[in-house]
Amino acid sequence: GDSVTQMEGPVTLSEEAFLTINCTYTATGYPSLFWYVQYPGEGLQLLLKATKADDKGSNKGFEATYRKETTSFHLEKGSVQVSDSAVYFCALSDRTSYDKVIFGPGTSLSVIP
Amino acid sequence: EAGVTQFPSHSVIEKGQTVTLRCDPISGHDNLYWYRRVMGKEIKFLLHFVKESKQDESGMPNNRFLAERTGGTYSTLKVQPAELEDSGVYFCASSQDRRGGEQYFGPGTRLTVT
Repeated sequence: GDSVTQMEGPVTLSEEAFLTINCTYTATGYPSLFWYVQYPGEGLQLLLKATKADDKGSNKGFEATYRKETTSFHLEKGSVQVSDSAVYFCALSDRTSYDKVIFGPGTSLSVIP
Repeated sequence: EAGVTQFPSHSVIEKGQTVTLRCDPISGHDNLYWYRRVMGKEIKFLLHFVKESKQDESGMPNNRFLAERTGGTYSTLKVQPAELEDSGVYFCASSQDRRGGEQYFGPGTRLTVT
């Protein structure tokens, strides 16, 4: 079945460091890809998405490009801030079955001043 | 516009007791989903309602879990009787468009079974 794998955390970075969180997926169809974020004490929020190959999703300085050839959707940010400390989930939903989102295990990010 | 709300935010019950979680989706969203994250593992799909009908309940772990959505508005998820392994965070989400549309998540209910 469809699945998502992402790098395990926790990840600790200094402020203004470069962030990469790797994500790869397995899907039988043509999935849409997502990054969700959960800030401390809050619910899940959609951070960015891409619906087809080579699309780049971006939001709040974060970017991820849908790479079909490597089945990847790595999350990047050039300069992280303390306020970016959160848990990040890579996820997909399949075009043939939009009824469920399949999540990766989540990566906890801590940014220190 | 109000987001997805869930009640309670946290519930602590003893093994064998019953707990009912509630989710109020965004007004006008026909699709309502339940997910849960158990013991820091992946967030797993439980079931999907379209209006009041269960579209997909393939993720429901066993018959101790019962979800309802009477009238196609809010939904409840009842766990009876609760077991230790049911502890986790239960998320609800809603969406308007089934075809890849964004699912809006609630803050979750943290369930602790002791």
